[in-house]
Amino acid sequence: KAGVTQTPRYLIKTRGQQVTLSCSPISGHRSVSWYQQTPGQGLQFLFEYFSETQRNKGNFPGRFSGRQFSNSRSEMNVSTLELGDSALYLCASSTRQGAGGGANVLTFGAGSRLTVL
Amino acid sequence: SQKIEQNSEALNIQEGKTATLTCNYTNYSPAYLQWYRQDPGRGPVFLLLIRENEKEKRKERLKVTFDTTLKQSLFHITASQPADSATYLCALRRDDKIIFGKGTRLHILP
Repeated sequence: KAGVTQTPRYLIKTRGQQVTLSCSPISGHRSVSWYQQTPGQGLQFLFEYFSETQRNKGNFPGRFSGRQFSNSRSEMNVSTLELGDSALYLCASSTRQGAGGGANVLTFGAGSRLTVL
Repeated sequence: SQKIEQNSEALNIQEGKTATLTCNYTNYSPAYLQWYRQDPGRGPVFLLLIRENEKEKRKERLKVTFDTTLKQSLFHITASQPADSATYLCALRRDDKIIFGKGTRLHILP
């Protein structure tokens, strides 16, 4: 079956602009999580969506937002871009929400590489 | 706050030898711990999961141990090959989210 699809793969923006990234999870996966990856900080959790509701949020400013649609596809938006937002943004889907006693194994997309100039 | 520590220095191992990577965590007792592999320009790929009541888990040439007393997991690749060269990340669930260590870059030298 098809994996997690992220678009666009690469994009360049300038400071102050906004960007929207898209993620299509594996069919049947209802949970979508977003991560920011930078060389200095590694993988940092942004947020998780399950059944169109944000279930968890990391320590990022309000400029970072997201949403999930009824077909489980998710988007994240970053407004008023800063140079420090340059990173690889990774989306991961799973069959489980983060809460609950079961194991939550993530399937990642290839990421969207954002460069802010 | 929760910390996951992995050796940030690259690890160089001769082909055919066993590579051992370390993951230490603090301030928490996770129900399970996961290991992922990441190649340059790609997203992480899940490899193994080990639960707190399991001491060891194996999959082909991979072996993971989990010592909840030491708060440490070890990841072993036996008979290592150049194709095993990648960054390896450990992850655990905390506060209903999966958090990751920064990863260890492994180079298998031919």
